[in-house]
Amino acid sequence: GAVVSQHPSWVICKSGTSVKIECRSLDFQATTMFWYRQFPKQSLMLMATSNEGSKATYEQGVEKDKFLINHASLTLSTLTVTSAHPEDSSFYICSAQPFDWGNTIYFGEGSWLTVV
Amino acid sequence: QKEVEQNSGPLSVPEGAIASLNCTYSDRGSQSFFWYRQYSGKSPELIMFIYSNGDKEDGRFTAQLNKASQYVSLLIRDSQPSDSATYLCAVRRDKFYFGSGTKLNVKP
Repeated sequence: GAVVSQHPSWVICKSGTSVKIECRSLDFQATTMFWYRQFPKQSLMLMATSNEGSKATYEQGVEKDKFLINHASLTLSTLTVTSAHPEDSSFYICSAQPFDWGNTIYFGEGSWLTVV
Repeated sequence: QKEVEQNSGPLSVPEGAIASLNCTYSDRGSQSFFWYRQYSGKSPELIMFIYSNGDKEDGRFTAQLNKASQYVSLLIRDSQPSDSATYLCAVRRDKFYFGSGTKLNVKP
């Protein structure tokens, strides 16, 4: 159980374009999903907390207009990187907390974004 | 002061030995503690969690929690080369706080 699927695993986009990353909880409902970014050999950095049916809560320093998060259902959250730039190239990882069991979070496989 | 502190390593142990990974946290109000393993280029995967003081065993893994000392550890018995990864300690209060991870190398 506790499978979180993230898509795409790899994406290359041109500078100035937007790219959407999906995060799905496959075998549980998640009222809360988290989006992280990780640069090579660095720690996970929490970008935002996404709650189903409400606006995401962004961490300090994360631009909400650049990183659009939508949590439209109990099993799906999306992160859209708008007007991407090379410095946005990173490993983006989502995680989800089961609605009615456990106190932990489970991670998706991650998405490598390269902006050229 | 960081919420969660870990020695970045690398920690090198020979195959078959016990690997001991340590973590300290700053907020005494923390209630839940987690260990994740992250292979290079992959996302973290949950190894185990612990809520109460003492030891919790799961196969070759033992988590130890000492709330008075604000200290969490993970022991890996009979270490295998496949255990070579970065181990992330996480603490939960209002949200998850992750340490920067300890890189473990298990030498054949």
